[in-house]
Amino acid sequence: GQNIDQPTEMTATEGAIVQINCTYQTSGFNGLFWYQQHAGEAPTFLSYNVLDGLEEKGRFSSFLSRSKGYSYLLLKELQMKDSASYLCAVKDSNYQLIWGAGTKLIIKP
Amino acid sequence: GAVVSQHPSWVICKSGTSVKIECRSLDFQATTMFWYRQFPKQSLMLMATSNEGSKATYEQGVEKDKFLINHASLTLSTLTVTSAHPEDSSFYICSAGKTSGSGSNEQFFGPGTRLTVL
Repeated sequence: GQNIDQPTEMTATEGAIVQINCTYQTSGFNGLFWYQQHAGEAPTFLSYNVLDGLEEKGRFSSFLSRSKGYSYLLLKELQMKDSASYLCAVKDSNYQLIWGAGTKLIIKP
Repeated sequence: GAVVSQHPSWVICKSGTSVKIECRSLDFQATTMFWYRQFPKQSLMLMATSNEGSKATYEQGVEKDKFLINHASLTLSTLTVTSAHPEDSSFYICSAGKTSGSGSNEQFFGPGTRLTVL
């Protein structure tokens, strides 16, 4: 079966750095996405990785290792507004998005 | 940009009635639109994939006769929840696919529609 694993919840301190991991086992791979979702709102796109390596976009970076079926989202200089759920999603061989359950990130002052 | 709107943003209806939710891509053409459902504290669950001018593809376990999807144009898809029941109460989110310059084929999400069935 297809499976995406990410931690259920993480806590970090304002101003710090946090890394949210995502491992996946899918039938084929056509890209990995990270989305941010605040409570009661729709997800917003953060990043896309299809090749191995690190993609940096401001305070957020995303890393991919296809051979290990592994990605992480790195958030730097955490702000209170970063408190949200972070969803990892993989596009499989049929170009279908397979979603992880999301990681709830709690930022403390 | 790539903006997707949904209407209504929230709706309360009586059990047994039907509710229509509209999803529009405002500044781009979307050949494919997706409908998701999200129950509280749970992840997104894909209900169906809608391609313009053809029948929607439903995920396993989603009743196509209950959740009617119409994708009549490149900027509009509708989801009709027929004979709604309290267990259909959920957050319904649509997204529209757009291929970016990097070829990522991103999905842009609408703001969601919160349906409450009494």
